[in-house]
Amino acid sequence: SAVISQKPSRDICQRGTSLTIQCQVDSQVTMMFWYRQQPGQSLTLIATANQGSEATYESGFVIDKFPISRPNLTFSTLTVSNLSPEDSSIYLCSVEQGWDGYTFGSGTRFTVV
Amino acid sequence: SQQGEEDPQALSIQEGENATMNCSYKTSINNLQWYRQNSGRGLVHLILIRSNEREKHSGRLRVTLDTSKKSSSLLITASRAADTASYFCATALTGGGNKLTFGTGTQLKVEL
Repeated sequence: SAVISQKPSRDICQRGTSLTIQCQVDSQVTMMFWYRQQPGQSLTLIATANQGSEATYESGFVIDKFPISRPNLTFSTLTVSNLSPEDSSIYLCSVEQGWDGYTFGSGTRFTVV
Repeated sequence: SQQGEEDPQALSIQEGENATMNCSYKTSINNLQWYRQNSGRGLVHLILIRSNEREKHSGRLRVTLDTSKKSSSLLITASRAADTASYFCATALTGGGNKLTFGTGTQLKVEL
């Protein structure tokens, strides 16, 4: 199954700044998925990133706040813009592995101060 | 919300005992998957059961699926301290593309 390298693993960010999270996959994949996990909560899908087209965002998530890039079939970035304390969460990327489920990155945990 | 509900929210057992977690969902699914998360890190895929399957085993894991009741259960037999983690069910909805919808999760603590 695919292996995903996600960076950074954790960070502390200042209010009003932006943080960019990177995910590198060791094989080519059509779709990559970005999730948010707020403290003590389950995972919520932010958007689906397709190579060569704009990301598809879920209800409640907008491109201005969560811009996504997908320059090729092995890489994607998620930026969380204009950070506020409410953005403090774990963010995870994932890729589908068919009947083997999904593989997830190790997560990026950041705190906005 | 399409999010599934899991119960119990938290479960504490002794090593060697069995742990059972339940998941309920709301709409028609293609498959249901179970994941483990250690200490807020990345998720690890445990097992996938298709909508036309009723039971599946993998090592010490046993998953059942009842599509008429829209529910699933995960049984971990002979639990170990290393099984301490959060467990999530996730559904791939019929007509939902490749998206997963996660349940609320069960925090399992296995004590020595």
